[in-house]
Amino acid sequence: QQQVKQSPQSLIVQKGGISIINCAYENTAFDYFPWYQQFPGKGPALLIAIRPDVSEKKEGRFTISFNKSAKQFSLHIMDSQPGDSATYFCAASWIKAAGNKLTFGGGTRVLVKP
Amino acid sequence: GAVVSQHPSRVICKSGTSVKIECRSLDFQATTMFWYRQFPKKSLMLMATSNEGSKATYEQGVEKDKFLINHASLTLSTLTVTSAHPEDSSFYICSAGSDEAFFGQGTRLTVV
Repeated sequence: QQQVKQSPQSLIVQKGGISIINCAYENTAFDYFPWYQQFPGKGPALLIAIRPDVSEKKEGRFTISFNKSAKQFSLHIMDSQPGDSATYFCAASWIKAAGNKLTFGGGTRVLVKP
Repeated sequence: GAVVSQHPSRVICKSGTSVKIECRSLDFQATTMFWYRQFPKKSLMLMATSNEGSKATYEQGVEKDKFLINHASLTLSTLTVTSAHPEDSSFYICSAGSDEAFFGQGTRLTVV
């Protein structure tokens, strides 16, 4: 059972454009929603995370929007750069019950064209 | 952020042998660590939860006798792939952290 669904699977964006990746979850007990960036052959690196008591969080060029009623959250990458070309994963966990045991979305491969 | 170190980054072993992968939290203590497996161009799948001083908790479908986990100290968890076969070839990644999860660099295991 896939508890976190991520879309699109791949994305091509021009340099300077906005990359938008969406995730939807099923388990209403989830209380932590991080986004990770992964380059080939490397472990995932934490980009930004949000908890359900806020609807938006911004860190630099990265913004998470969170809609608790719709059980959806999204990552916006502003002013996309070629160095942002990577695979992005959304994830969710129920920290209070299981710590940082993460359920991952399927991933989105982002290509930023110069 | 916190640092999680994984070793080795790459290993090639012969079919039938065992391989040990280490995961260390370098600047914090971790009573719980997690082990994931990732196939090429796929997402991360949780294999097991490593608990300091007690038995690991395995996800459904993961063979505990094949993937032995030991969490002997607050900074070290090990995953041993026993009697490895080519189908065990994969990218193995550990994570640790309380408020946020930080990942190791991953270990590329190739069984020949």
